[in-house]
Amino acid sequence: NAGVTQTPKFQVLKTGQSMTLQCAQDMNHNSMYWYRQDPGMGLRLIYYSASEGTTDKGEVPNGYNVSRLNKREFSLRLESAAPSQTSVYFCASSETSRDGYYEQYFGPGTRLTVT
Amino acid sequence: RKEVEQDPGPFNVPEGATVAFNCTYSNSASQSFFWYRQDCRKEPKLLMSVYSSGNEDGRFTAQLNRASQYISLLIRDSKLSDSATYLCVVNYLAGDTGRRALTFGSGTRLQVQP
Repeated sequence: NAGVTQTPKFQVLKTGQSMTLQCAQDMNHNSMYWYRQDPGMGLRLIYYSASEGTTDKGEVPNGYNVSRLNKREFSLRLESAAPSQTSVYFCASSETSRDGYYEQYFGPGTRLTVT
Repeated sequence: RKEVEQDPGPFNVPEGATVAFNCTYSNSASQSFFWYRQDCRKEPKLLMSVYSSGNEDGRFTAQLNRASQYISLLIRDSKLSDSATYLCVVNYLAGDTGRRALTFGSGTRLQVQP
């Protein structure tokens, strides 16, 4: 049981290049999320998917697209990378909750640098 | 104003000390509350949920004050292994979609010294 896995762990891109960050979970969770974490800013939600086939924008979606490929996989794509997208990206998953109390399980993160 | 605010620290305390962190949130419609722990260059992990009546898990006690919109975390008998960043997390209904989303504070760093 690997939990949440992310690839790659590290990536350096030049401005304007594109790439896809991959995320997979093996806990049969309905909900999946992409966050970015910058120093002093906390984690900010980019996109989330409440269930297979649905995606919604979070707090900072500009410059990103997502695909919920199936229940296990949720990918994040940068079409034209910019230096402002230099960050640590975390994928997470969780069960659906009725009362608002649920645990999010995070992957190990992808450290992305855009030069 | 940030939606969830925390003192960034660092809090430097000796082993065995008691230390407390506070966190304030701005959205009165917030539904549920959590403390996550994040070790250096690692992913966040849930430490404990915070319930209205307050709750305890071993050396850790969490309190919620809805009237004043703050959450606290108390750590007793600090261990070296408690050194980490503690993230205050609030769950609220997100805009028109009615979907819930977690909002993370930027964290409070704790360094426990021998």
